[in-house]
Amino acid sequence: TQLLEQSPQFLSIQEGENLTVYCNSSSVFSSLQWYRQEPGEGPVLLVTVVTGGEVKKLKRLTFQFGDARKDSSLHITAAQPGDTGLYLCAVHGATNKLIFGTGTLLAVQP
Amino acid sequence: DSGVTQTPKHLITATGQRVTLRCSPRSGDLSVYWYQQSLDQGLQFLIQYYNGEERAKGNILERFSAQQFPDLHSELNLSSLELGDSALYFCASSVAPVGPDTQYFGPGTRLTVL
Repeated sequence: TQLLEQSPQFLSIQEGENLTVYCNSSSVFSSLQWYRQEPGEGPVLLVTVVTGGEVKKLKRLTFQFGDARKDSSLHITAAQPGDTGLYLCAVHGATNKLIFGTGTLLAVQP
Repeated sequence: DSGVTQTPKHLITATGQRVTLRCSPRSGDLSVYWYQQSLDQGLQFLIQYYNGEERAKGNILERFSAQQFPDLHSELNLSSLELGDSALYFCASSVAPVGPDTQYFGPGTRLTVL
């Protein structure tokens, strides 16, 4: 059983559509991060959320941390082909190691 | 560019062989992490070093070992390779050994075992 379950696993949409990706757990976290990984590259940190109910915006991306700090969502408005990639949520374990979610592979068609 | 470099980019080898993956952390970062990414297991933590000392171990096989040298670069050694070891191997670095501290990932090494 994975600590962080992401849904959906795959998502293929047309340019201009909106989408939401979810990251769920039964555990409570002090913070949660979202990464994007493009083909042939390592994950790149997008945002860190630390407060229950917190909402952070990064251009067309909106991140929310659940009130109970067990789950998070990533909403993309008017998706563009450049948003294509693997989206990963992650939490820190002991000694700063990262525990990653199962991932959501997003393809935005032009 | 994250500032973390990994070599080689691609590696193709046969079962039973041994390979060494190399990672140079960002300038000033003392902590190095190794992760394995495969289709069935996702992205998983293997091992962490801080300033030359092993700090934490994850799901790392006994056939795998790592070390961090005085110049802070790190090597991941994989031996007696099996088909299932085919994966992407990422190195990441951070300043601090404890979190939450931002980790910066390298571009990875794609290992193919035939």
